[in-house]
Amino acid sequence: QSVLTQPPSVSGAPGQRVTISCTGTSSNIGAGYDVQWFQQLPRTAPKLLIYGGSNRPSGVPDRFSGSKSGTSASLAITGLQAEDEADYHCQCYDSSLNAWVFGGGTKLTVL
Amino acid sequence: QVQLVESGGGVVQPGGSLRLSCAASGFSFSDYGMHWVRQAPGKGLEWVAFIRYDGANQYYPDSVKGRFTISRDNSKNTLYLQMSSLRAEDWAVYYCAKGSISWLPHPDFWGQGTLVTVSS
Repeated sequence: QSVLTQPPSVSGAPGQRVTISCTGTSSNIGAGYDVQWFQQLPRTAPKLLIYGGSNRPSGVPDRFSGSKSGTSASLAITGLQAEDEADYHCQCYDSSLNAWVFGGGTKLTVL
Repeated sequence: QVQLVESGGGVVQPGGSLRLSCAASGFSFSDYGMHWVRQAPGKGLEWVAFIRYDGANQYYPDSVKGRFTISRDNSKNTLYLQMSSLRAEDWAVYYCAKGSISWLPHPDFWGQGTLVTVSS
C-alpha cells in the first residue's frame, strides 16, 4: 500500500488530454512539500518529468504540466502521443514517516 | 552528461548479504546527496536510503533500517548500498539516483538499475 494514491491506469486517444491524480495527506502533499512526477518508459529507468509541483526540466515538452491543490497533485498531458505510453509515478516527502514517498504508479495507455 | 552505473546485483539466498555500487560521472559528485530507490517486479517505486553530500547523515525507511547501510566514497565518485539479512521482499531492481539541489533533495537523475534476486 503506497503512501500516495494514484489510479492504476488511465487511457486516451492520440491528441487527447489526460490527467493523473496523486492523493496524499496533511503530512506530505498537504504539508506543502514539493511534488515530483517521473515517467518510466517500458524496461527503462524513471526520468524526472516535473519537479516542485509544476516545473519542467530542460527538454521536457510543455505538453506535460503539474498542479497541486490541498492534499492532491495532478499531472496533465495534452496532445497525447504514442510515445507517451509509460508508467507515471508521483513522489513527495512525508514528515510523519521522515521518508521520501512514492505513489503506486499509473500506467498510461494510448489507444 | 550525468551518468550513473549500478553494479553488484545478483542472486542471494534469504538471510544473505550483498553490496551494490554506483559509479557516478558527469557532475560534481561530492556536492550532491544521493538516493537508492528500488522497484519490485511489477510494482511501484520504493525509496530505500539517502546520504548527504558529505556522508555525514544517512536516512532509511523502517522497512530496511538496521539491515541496509548507505555509504559513499567521494574520492572515487562512488555510492554504495550494503544489504544484509535479505528477505524475499527485498527482491527488486535497485536504482541509484542523484539528489536535487534543494533542502529536501528529491531524486532527479537515475541510473539504469541492478537486479537483486532473493531466492533459495
